[in-house]
Amino acid sequence: AQSVTQPDIHITVSEGASLELRCNYSYGATPYLFWYVQSPGQGLQLLLKYFSGDTLVQGIKGFEAEFKRSQSSFNLRKPSVHWSDAAEYFCAVVFMNTGFQKLVFGTGTRLLVSP
Amino acid sequence: EPEVTQTPSHQVTQMGQEVILRCVPISNHLYFYWYRQILGQKVEFLVSFYNNEISEKSEIFDDQFSVERPDGSNFTLKIRSTKLEDSAMYFCASSARDRGRHEKLFFGSGTQLSVL
Repeated sequence: AQSVTQPDIHITVSEGASLELRCNYSYGATPYLFWYVQSPGQGLQLLLKYFSGDTLVQGIKGFEAEFKRSQSSFNLRKPSVHWSDAAEYFCAVVFMNTGFQKLVFGTGTRLLVSP
Repeated sequence: EPEVTQTPSHQVTQMGQEVILRCVPISNHLYFYWYRQILGQKVEFLVSFYNNEISEKSEIFDDQFSVERPDGSNFTLKIRSTKLEDSAMYFCASSARDRGRHEKLFFGSGTQLSVL
C-alpha cells in the first residue's frame, strides 16, 4: 500500500544544534516529495520539493533534504536550528497513480527547540 | 509572497447545521483544493477543483460536502448537515496552471471548524 511515514512524533533539539527529520514512503516508483512546515496559527508553508535530478535539494530557511531511492527516504536536515524553527513539519508525497494534484501527508513531527 | 485567504478563522456550529467555509485563492491560479486536519491526525486531501468542476475527490468527500466557485475570486466548501466528526482544521489551497509537473500549492491558514 502507498503510504508516508514520519516515525518521530516529537523531537527536541537545542538551539544551534543540527536537525534531521525522517520521512519514508512506500511506493513502487519515485513519487514527488515535499516538506511543509506549519507554525502555530499559520497555514502550511512549502519548504522544499523533489521531482527529479539532484537528490540533494535546498529549500527556504536553510533547510535541505536528500532523496535516497534505496531507502525510500526523504529526510529533512538543517545544520543549525534557530528557536524560530519550532513548528510542526510534514512530509508529503504525490503518488503518480493517484492524480498529480493530491498530496498525501505524513502524520507530522513536532519540533521543539530548547535554549 | 502571494497568499490564500480563508474566512472565518474559527467557526462554531451545532450538529446538523450547514456551514460554508470561504477561501480566496491567489488571483491567477486555476487549481483549487480543500484539505482537512482532524486534531492529532494527518492532513487529508478532500477535493480538487479545476475549470468549474471537481477533478478529484477522496472518500471523505461524500454527498454532505460540496464545493463552488460562485464568482471569479471565491472558492467555498459547504457541509450541508454537520456531524461531530467534521470538527477539524480545513485548509484551502491553490496552484497555478502547470505543464505536467506538480505545481507548488499555496495553502491558507485554515478555518478551525468546531461542531457541538
